[in-house]
Amino acid sequence: EVRLVQSGGGLVQPGGSLRLSCAASGFTFSRFSMTWVRQAPGKGLEWVANIKKDGSEKHYVDSVKGRFTISRDNAKNSLYLEMNSLRGEDTAVYYCAKEDLWEVTGGAFDIWGQGTMVTVSS
Amino acid sequence: DIQMTQSPSSLSASVGDRVTITCRASQSISSYLNWYQQKPGRAPKLLMYAASSFQSGVPSRFSGSGSGTDFTLTISSLQPEDFATYFCQQTYSTPRTFGQGTKLEIK
Repeated sequence: EVRLVQSGGGLVQPGGSLRLSCAASGFTFSRFSMTWVRQAPGKGLEWVANIKKDGSEKHYVDSVKGRFTISRDNAKNSLYLEMNSLRGEDTAVYYCAKEDLWEVTGGAFDIWGQGTMVTVSS
Repeated sequence: DIQMTQSPSSLSASVGDRVTITCRASQSISSYLNWYQQKPGRAPKLLMYAASSFQSGVPSRFSGSGSGTDFTLTISSLQPEDFATYFCQQTYSTPRTFGQGTKLEIK
């Protein structure tokens, strides 16, 4: 079964740090770009960052540049999001997702993790 | 950044109705347009990719069309399990922006 299982998240004070993890199984992790998407309470979806299959390219939404770092370990079939200098507006459910092959679906997000809540509050 | 605008933001309909949701991009995105369905407390689920191609397992009552800047998602005959929120998304460029969502509610 193709799965993404997330861990990490929780309550953190403003200015604090947190690391999210996403463990992949059921597919060849190293063949696919991966992405993080977040959803603030009661709001829509916001793409946060993505990373190419070999980690050679990383892209971020402007609001997290310089604070968040996406990374991956293909040997461990795992994706990470290191979040620093957290703000109240970063409070959201964070999802990891697999980007399907560009030549097949144009990079649609075909597999999603279950989501993990990050709450930034004092 | 490419802005994605969905309409309507919410929609009330009955089982058996035909409904259409529209999505407009702020610039041409060719056919790099995907649709997702999200139910409360759940992760989004890919419904359609490349504007009009079905993801595996998606019922044929769903259809998509469009290219360039204007796209539609149509559900031909609403079923109880279709009441959810729908998001469009472009993968033409980074950032991979989403529409604001359309909440489909039971009338």
